[in-house]
Amino acid sequence: DIQMTQSPSTLSASVGDRVTITCRASQSISSWLAWYQQKPGKAPKLMIYKASSLKSGVPSRFSGSGSGTEFTLTISSLQPDDFATYYCQQYYSYGTFGQGTKVEIK
Amino acid sequence: EVQLMESGGGLVQPGGSLRLSCAVSGFTFSTYAMSWVRQAPKKGLEWVSSISGSGTSTYYADSVKGRFTISRDNSDNTLYLQMTSLRAEDTAVYYCAKGDAGDVFDIWGQGTMVIVSS
Repeated sequence: DIQMTQSPSTLSASVGDRVTITCRASQSISSWLAWYQQKPGKAPKLMIYKASSLKSGVPSRFSGSGSGTEFTLTISSLQPDDFATYYCQQYYSYGTFGQGTKVEIK
Repeated sequence: EVQLMESGGGLVQPGGSLRLSCAVSGFTFSTYAMSWVRQAPKKGLEWVSSISGSGTSTYYADSVKGRFTISRDNSDNTLYLQMTSLRAEDTAVYYCAKGDAGDVFDIWGQGTMVIVSS
């Protein structure tokens, strides 16, 4: 089974900050990686797929990069609506999620 | 408008059974694979099961294989998850999602809570 490891688990940041979350796969998954945003009590929302493709309607301050085993999600200028938990998911083989990164207000 | 609406969650004793439903509207249901993803309290997301658009192919996580059965009724645009031999560790919010094992989940329902406890 492919394991996904996110870092950090929690990230404290301020509005306007540039934020980067890392996701590592236990084996190469090419670019078969997605990022989801989840707010408390709500379902996850797909933000990025195929490592770097932005889903329609997602603000351009979100970007994804990477391939193989190492991936990043970057928010170029954190906005109040962005405080949430972010999950990566590999879909190279079935679907495994990372443990999540909570972005909280500093 | 695309909508996925889960139902059927509740409190069940260990060893018991429960059937979850997911009513779908807003897209051609039979064309797309569908999945169940769960989230234990204060925990991360776990893929549970997927089914092809026709219903002929099904996939399960090892943690539920042999206990859960995914199915669909394309005439009624409804996805199901039959859960048997339930354990405390099955306690979670169960989401239905559009997408397959080996694919992204691009649309999610609001979730239904399953609590396994005596």
